[in-house]
Amino acid sequence: GAVVSQHPSRVICKSGTSVKIECRSLDFQATTMFWYRQFPKQSLMLMATSNEGSKATYEQGVEKDKFLINHASLTLSTLTVTSAHPEDSSFYICSARDRRAGQTTAAQYFGPGTRLTVL
Amino acid sequence: ILNVEQSPQSLHVQEGDSTNFTCSFPSSNFYALHWYRWETAKSPEALFVMTLNGDEKKKGRISATLNTKEGYSYLYIKGSQPEDSATYLCASHRPSGNTPLVFGKGTRLSVIA
Repeated sequence: GAVVSQHPSRVICKSGTSVKIECRSLDFQATTMFWYRQFPKQSLMLMATSNEGSKATYEQGVEKDKFLINHASLTLSTLTVTSAHPEDSSFYICSARDRRAGQTTAAQYFGPGTRLTVL
Repeated sequence: ILNVEQSPQSLHVQEGDSTNFTCSFPSSNFYALHWYRWETAKSPEALFVMTLNGDEKKKGRISATLNTKEGYSYLYIKGSQPEDSATYLCASHRPSGNTPLVFGKGTRLSVIA
């Protein structure tokens, strides 16, 4: 149980295009999902917290107009990188917390990540 | 700013050896510490969530201890096997206690058969 899928696993796009990444909880419902980014040899850095039915909460320094997050259902959150540029090339990974977990310290379940390369 | 540090950055051990590595975090306003195992091309897998000082958790050959007063946690692997090769991440909650986690850079373990 507790499987999170992420699609696509890898994407290469031209500069200026937009890319959508999907994060799905397959066997549980998630009121909260998280989007992280990892640059080479760095730690996972939280970009935003995605809340079902409400606006996402963005971390300081993350442009909300560039990284659009939609959490329209209890099992799906999407991250759209708008007008992507080479500096947006990174590894993007989502996680989700089971709504039944209750406590805020419960484990998060991760997707396998998406490698984005912007040419 | 919450800094989570992990050491060593990488580690090579022989099959059968036992090993351990460290996660350091600020001891003030501690809420919980998470350990994850991340195998290449797979999703990070939750190993432990630890909240109490002196807590010790075990999962098979892997165990972890927690010292919240001095701000560190150890992860131990007994009798390492090649399938233990992975990056081990630790993460702590921000002092506000919200669910977002702050991760260390991880310890990359390679077990040589």
